[in-house]
Amino acid sequence: GAVVSQHPSWVICKSGTSVKIECRSLDFQATTMFWYRQFPKQSLMLMATSNEGSKATYEQGVEKDKFLINHASLTLSTLTVTSAHPEDSSFYICSARRGASRDPDTQYFGPGTRLTVL
Amino acid sequence: DAKTTQPNSMESNEEEPVHLPCNHSTISGTDYIHWYRQLPSQGPEYVIHGLTSNVNNRMASLAIAEDRKSSTLILHRATLRDAAVYYCIANSGGSNYKLTFGKGTLLTVNP
Repeated sequence: GAVVSQHPSWVICKSGTSVKIECRSLDFQATTMFWYRQFPKQSLMLMATSNEGSKATYEQGVEKDKFLINHASLTLSTLTVTSAHPEDSSFYICSARRGASRDPDTQYFGPGTRLTVL
Repeated sequence: DAKTTQPNSMESNEEEPVHLPCNHSTISGTDYIHWYRQLPSQGPEYVIHGLTSNVNNRMASLAIAEDRKSSTLILHRATLRDAAVYYCIANSGGSNYKLTFGKGTLLTVNP
């Protein structure tokens, strides 16, 4: 159990276009979802935290108008990279927290989305 | 989150046990110790977590020092599929349950 999927797994787009990435918890309801970004040879960096029905909380230095997060249901969160530029090329990973009492902090991660902006 | 310190890399031979250390000397009493691993080009995978007592699951064992200032992830028989970056994280669930990933330990498994 506790499977998280992401779609698409990879995407290539032209500079200036917007890209939407979906994150779904397949077999559980996620009280909280998280979005991370990972550049080559680096660790994961948290971008934002979102709770269903609430506005996302962005980490310092992350532009909320550029990285739009929507958490419309307990099983779906989306990240939209608006007006993407080459420097936004990265590996984007989502995770979901089940919130069960026996594993209150455990996050279950999606397989990631590789974004390349030309 | 409490700061954690891990070796940058470790090497093991296939079918031998691996002990991955983690220091978290500033850990608070309510901080859980989490271990995740990330295979190349994949999202991280939950491995194990614990609070005070040692923990076992089908993937690994977690040995927590009595003073909780360090812990060790134990892979009982390493396989080539265990080659990954292993992250040790200590947090309490505050700040909306955020996890702060450090650089982790790159485990190489030799055939």
